[in-house]
Amino acid sequence: KQEVTQIPAALSVPEGENLVLNCSFTDSAIYNLQWFRQDPGKGLTSLLLIQSSQREQTSGRLNASLDKSSGRSTLYIAASQPGDSATYLCAVRPRTGRRALTFGSGTRLQVQP
Amino acid sequence: DAGVIQSPRHEVTEMGQEVTLRCKPISGHDYLFWYRQTMMRGLELLIYFNNNVPIDDSGMPEDRFSAKMPNASFSTLKIQPSEPRDSAVYFCASSFDRVIGYTFGSGTRLTVV
Repeated sequence: KQEVTQIPAALSVPEGENLVLNCSFTDSAIYNLQWFRQDPGKGLTSLLLIQSSQREQTSGRLNASLDKSSGRSTLYIAASQPGDSATYLCAVRPRTGRRALTFGSGTRLQVQP
Repeated sequence: DAGVIQSPRHEVTEMGQEVTLRCKPISGHDYLFWYRQTMMRGLELLIYFNNNVPIDDSGMPEDRFSAKMPNASFSTLKIQPSEPRDSAVYFCASSFDRVIGYTFGSGTRLTVV
């Protein structure tokens, strides 16, 4: 059974810092990995999707990497801003069988102005 | 496209009452998922459909929960009778297989008193 772990569970940084959020998964037979952002009381917004054949994806100040063999992904946020404060979730989709995503428990990020 | 649309946004009901949650997926998407989010257990898959057919309902907690997808543009999740432990945020998501990631609705926050 796939398990997804995110470390740290919570993170507080001053504005302007570069930061890294970590995601690990136990079964490397994945089809893709997706990073989401969730604001308090809101739904999930997709940030980046990395296919299993890819090593990284970039969107603006966000960069996500994937090392499938080691079961790890990182989300790098450059020059953090207070508006980046949210919970960040990673989720993996298996390569075969069940199509549904398995989610980590998230990293709650607070960027202090 | 308006995205995945869920209704109602909030629902407060008394224990024992029937609750129906509704979801309209993105047009053209062939997969639809129902997830439940709680503080204790995070995001859990309840059931998912492919081309309106239920594929995996192993996450449905018990017989009080049922889900239907009568057509490609509408799905319901019903809880009868509802219990306080059903209080959670219920998300619907849709996807077009193997092409793009998953898009989530804004969720329905259910409170059973």
